[in-house]
Amino acid sequence: AQKITQTQPGMFVQEKEAVTLDCTYDTSDQSYGLFWYKQPSSGEMIFLIYQGSYDEQNATEGRYSLNFQKARKSANLVISASQLGDSAMYFCAMRGNNQGGKLIFGQGTELSVKP
Amino acid sequence: DAEITQSPRHKITETGRQVTLACHQTWNHNNMFWYRQDLGHGLRLIHYSYGVQDTNKGEVSDGYSVSRSNTEDLPLTLESAASSQTSVYFCASGDPGQGVNEQFFGPGTRLTVL
Repeated sequence: AQKITQTQPGMFVQEKEAVTLDCTYDTSDQSYGLFWYKQPSSGEMIFLIYQGSYDEQNATEGRYSLNFQKARKSANLVISASQLGDSAMYFCAMRGNNQGGKLIFGQGTELSVKP
Repeated sequence: DAEITQSPRHKITETGRQVTLACHQTWNHNNMFWYRQDLGHGLRLIHYSYGVQDTNKGEVSDGYSVSRSNTEDLPLTLESAASSQTSVYFCASGDPGQGVNEQFFGPGTRLTVL
C-alpha cells in the first residue's frame, strides 16, 4: 500500500530564514510522482512543486526546492528566505504508477512564519 | 482561462437528506477526483473518474456516489447525509498523460450536516 508520512504537525520559522518540511513515502511502484501543495487560511490548494521518481535533478520552483532522496524515500520541501505569506498548511502527496492521477496525501504540516 | 469550480461553497443540511455537490472544469481533463479534508487526515479520495461513464471508488466512498455524463462535470451525491460527512470537499482534475503533472483543485465546499 502507498503511504505518505509528514511527522511535523506544526513548525515555526523566523522570517527570512530557510525551513525544511519533512515528507517520507512508501510505495512499491518504480515510477511515481511527488507533489507539494500549500493551503493558506483561505482554504484553496495551491500547487508548489513536483518531482518525478526518475528525475535526476531535484526540482526547484523559485524559493521552493524539493530535496529528493530516493533511497531513503524522502521528499522534503525546502523554503528559502521565508516570508510572512508562507504561513499555511503544507501537504505532501504522491501519485503512483498507472494511478491515473489520483493522489495520496500526508496529514500536513502547519508552518508559521514569525516576523 | 481554464478553471475548476465548485458549488455551493457552503452548505448546511440535516441528517438524512440527499445532498449534491457540483464540480465543473473547463480544462478538458479526462480525470476528475473528489477528496474530503478533515483535521488530522489530510485529504482522502472519495471517488474518481477517468472519463465519461467511468466512475471508481476511492478510500472513503461509503455513503457517496458520483456520475459522469460529460467531460466537464462530476457531481458528488451524499445519498443520506450523516454528521460524519461534515467536512470540506475538494474536486480536482488533471491528466498526467498530457505531460502536465499538476492536479488542479477547485476552491472547496464546506458541508455541515446537523
